[in-house]
Amino acid sequence: QSVLTQPPSASGTPGQRVAISCSGSRSNIGSKTVNWYQQLPGTAPKLLIYNNDQRPSGVPDRFTGSKSGTSASLAISGLQPEDEADYHCAAWDDSLKGPVFGGGTKLTVL
Amino acid sequence: EVQLVESGGGLVKPGGSLRLSCVVSGLDFNTYTFNWVRQAPGKGLEWVSSISSSSTFIYYAESVKGRFTMSRDNAKNSLYLQMNSLRAEDTAVYYCAREVYYGFWKFDYWGQGTLVTVSS
Repeated sequence: QSVLTQPPSASGTPGQRVAISCSGSRSNIGSKTVNWYQQLPGTAPKLLIYNNDQRPSGVPDRFTGSKSGTSASLAISGLQPEDEADYHCAAWDDSLKGPVFGGGTKLTVL
Repeated sequence: EVQLVESGGGLVKPGGSLRLSCVVSGLDFNTYTFNWVRQAPGKGLEWVSSISSSSTFIYYAESVKGRFTMSRDNAKNSLYLQMNSLRAEDTAVYYCAREVYYGFWKFDYWGQGTLVTVSS
């Protein structure tokens, strides 16, 4: 059972906007920054969003991150078939003294 | 080009041992903290261990404390994870990842992973 809570699945059609939620607590999301990772089938995780809403070089601006209180959200606009992947949220946890992850959300592009 | 390449995974019986390696290239290895993160089949990511640049600080998840030992050799740009007393629940793909901290943290480079299967 993961410390951060994500919906197991999400879906959308090409061109649509989808949002994936990530819920935590005061010891992690409530007091620390949130990262998001994209994991394409059969590959390693790739950093998608860091520091709540920052995109690494090369990540399209269709991907946006936000945080409010003890929850965070990843929004993907203009959905494309290649966005079909697992998305994981992560945050440092002061109580556990290490990073914690969500269980991952499998995004299907219909 | 930054590369992290894990090796050493395989099939091991419960109670057995395995040593994973991760060779890093394309960055100044000596100055960064590195981590091991694992992913059980069909599950989410789980942080396992971290080691600071000079090995001064080493941390473990409660689930592996006392059984796993993380180390590094800065002369060889390599990380290691010695795994003892392995259990079925340790079955996972193990990734090494670089950690950076600039007031906020992130794991920005990951290896391709190595599969560890614990089964009789």
